[in-house]
Amino acid sequence: GDSVTQMEGPVTLSEEAFLTINCTYTATGYPSLFWYVQYPGEGLQLLLKATKADDKGSNKGFEATYRKETTSFHLEKGSVQVSDSAVYFCALSDRGGGADGLTFGKGTHLIIQP
Amino acid sequence: DVKVTQSSRYLVKRTGEKVFLECVQDMDHENMFWYRQDPGLGLRLIYFSYDVKMKEKGDIPEGYSVSREKKERFSLILESASTNQTSMYLCASSLASQRGREQYFGPGTRLTVT
Repeated sequence: GDSVTQMEGPVTLSEEAFLTINCTYTATGYPSLFWYVQYPGEGLQLLLKATKADDKGSNKGFEATYRKETTSFHLEKGSVQVSDSAVYFCALSDRGGGADGLTFGKGTHLIIQP
Repeated sequence: DVKVTQSSRYLVKRTGEKVFLECVQDMDHENMFWYRQDPGLGLRLIYFSYDVKMKEKGDIPEGYSVSREKKERFSLILESASTNQTSMYLCASSLASQRGREQYFGPGTRLTVT
């Protein structure tokens, strides 16, 4: 079946550092790929997405590129802020039928220190 | 703004009780989902629905059932709660299936079964 693997953390960085959170996937078809973020005490919200190979999703300074050849969708940001502290989930959508249930990775807890 | 609301933020129930978790969305979305979130396991899909009275099993449906009598409301039912169902439960909704559709999440219900 489908699966998503991401580094679990916690990942601790200083403010203005460069961020990479690795995500690789296994899927039988051609999935859409997502990064969701969960701030403390809140539900998940979509950060960015890509629906086909070589697409780049971007939002709030975060970027990720859909790499079919390496089955990866790594999240990057050039300069992190304390407000980026959250749990980040990589996910894919590859289900048949009438709805797109998501398959999630286990989440990466990111801590940014001032 | 899309709003997905869940009936309770925190719930404490006893083993063997019947438990209802309610979810309501206000954006006329066709698809609705129930996930559970556990530390170290990420989010896992329990059930989803792509239309009124329609339901499909996700990855971990055992011990759960669902009900969708109206388009805006999707209920998760624990027929006889057990301690291993202590978890955070997240509801989500999305428009009818189209590649890469965003899912909108509620704030979650933290259920404790004692």
